[in-house]
Amino acid sequence: VLLVQSGAEVKKPGSSVKVSCKASGGTFSSYAFNWVRQAPGLGLEWMGAIIPLFGMPNYAQKFQGRLTFTTDESTTTAYMELSGLKSEDTAVYYCAKQGTAVQNALDIWGQGTLVTVSS
Amino acid sequence: DIQMTQSPSSLSASVGDRVTITCRASQSISTYLNWYQQKPGTAPNLLIYSASYLQTGVPSRFSGSGSGTDFTLTITGLQPEDFATYYCQQSYRIITFGQGTRVEIK
Repeated sequence: VLLVQSGAEVKKPGSSVKVSCKASGGTFSSYAFNWVRQAPGLGLEWMGAIIPLFGMPNYAQKFQGRLTFTTDESTTTAYMELSGLKSEDTAVYYCAKQGTAVQNALDIWGQGTLVTVSS
Repeated sequence: DIQMTQSPSSLSASVGDRVTITCRASQSISTYLNWYQQKPGTAPNLLIYSASYLQTGVPSRFSGSGSGTDFTLTITGLQPEDFATYYCQQSYRIITFGQGTRVEIK
């Protein structure tokens, strides 16, 4: 399985960004796609997850109301949309798949998408 | 949320050294603990899952141990390519990560 993310984005405060994560190989609908972000020079922050088969996203409390996960099985692509962007949302955003063979650890990661929020 | 605390935050070591990084959970997480390595400008890479199982392709100089609240990642015989930042992550409840441990060249 390979995860390929969309390219870097520059956004204005208050706007929205939508990042894509295309999966190649494996059984797309059964994977749990997680989204993790990393602000410049800082650690990893889990944002939430979605399993295409069930379609019920699980968002971290911090992002409730601003975050939307969707999936498109026809293109085997997962999407993360964050609205109401602030400068503090400047970060690299990663999608990552949980692997059942590794007790649901995050075994495959996308290359990351840099989102810069600046006026 | 379960808080994960790593120590130290950074360390300096030489090639060939034995390095130990600890991770403590704010409550018991059984063995739902994973370790990742991240090099600058790249995505994290899974090293250890379920506290002590080596991910396929990861060198055997990496090992993990622990259960409950206290966990350890050990690198036996540090190699030049091991200088990186290491993160623990629990999957017992909503995923949380430790703050990271940066391993630098002495």
